[in-house]
Amino acid sequence: AQKITQTQPGMFVQEKEAVTLDCTYDTSDQSYGLFWYKQPSSGEMIFLIYQGSYDEQNATEGRYSLNFQKARKSANLVISASQLGDSAMYFCAMREFGGGADGLTFGKGTHLIIQP
Amino acid sequence: DTGVSQDPRHKITKRGQNVTFRCDPISEHNRLYWYRQTLGQGPEFLTYFQNEAQLEKSRLLSDRFSAERPKGSFSTLEIQRTEQGDSAMYLCASRLKGTSGRGPPYNEQFFGPGTRLTVL
Repeated sequence: AQKITQTQPGMFVQEKEAVTLDCTYDTSDQSYGLFWYKQPSSGEMIFLIYQGSYDEQNATEGRYSLNFQKARKSANLVISASQLGDSAMYFCAMREFGGGADGLTFGKGTHLIIQP
Repeated sequence: DTGVSQDPRHKITKRGQNVTFRCDPISEHNRLYWYRQTLGQGPEFLTYFQNEAQLEKSRLLSDRFSAERPKGSFSTLEIQRTEQGDSAMYLCASRLKGTSGRGPPYNEQFFGPGTRLTVL
């Protein structure tokens, strides 16, 4: 079963609009972390934002915020006031803290295109 | 530049040849990770090191793949007898894992630019 599901393969958004990228996850661990990464066409993965499973408040980093709904197992990324430079692939990822495993599990990504 | 570096950036090889990639992590980072990313997919975890010890290997890491981090600094990933299905981007990442207490709880992984492998 998919541990990370991103249901939007591609999105077109007008510049300056807000955009929400969906992410749902599946885990039986109580302790885990959720990450969002941006991958421009150059290929390098850029860390954007993190949410821990025990964090009571939604994470925010500048124009990025994470809409964390634990009961629904969703961790949507919200980008406010989108810019042309936001055009890229966006990946949601999870790390489960139990069991000693340390690799990230990624979703398939959403290709975001910001239009002028 | 003090980020994660990978060499080469691109590699084209013929099926059956061996290839080796190198990753230099951020200098103070003790954990180093290898991922594989095929077209249209997210990265898939292959293996990781804590210093020179290889602590975890995924089922994707067949016996044709071997990774080393001999002195706990740079790492190499070798693929023997390459197959066309090995064509992918190979990403390296590193992070600092605290040795006492929890420290910062997440310590995100910093990724390198990747090595794109094409097997003809």
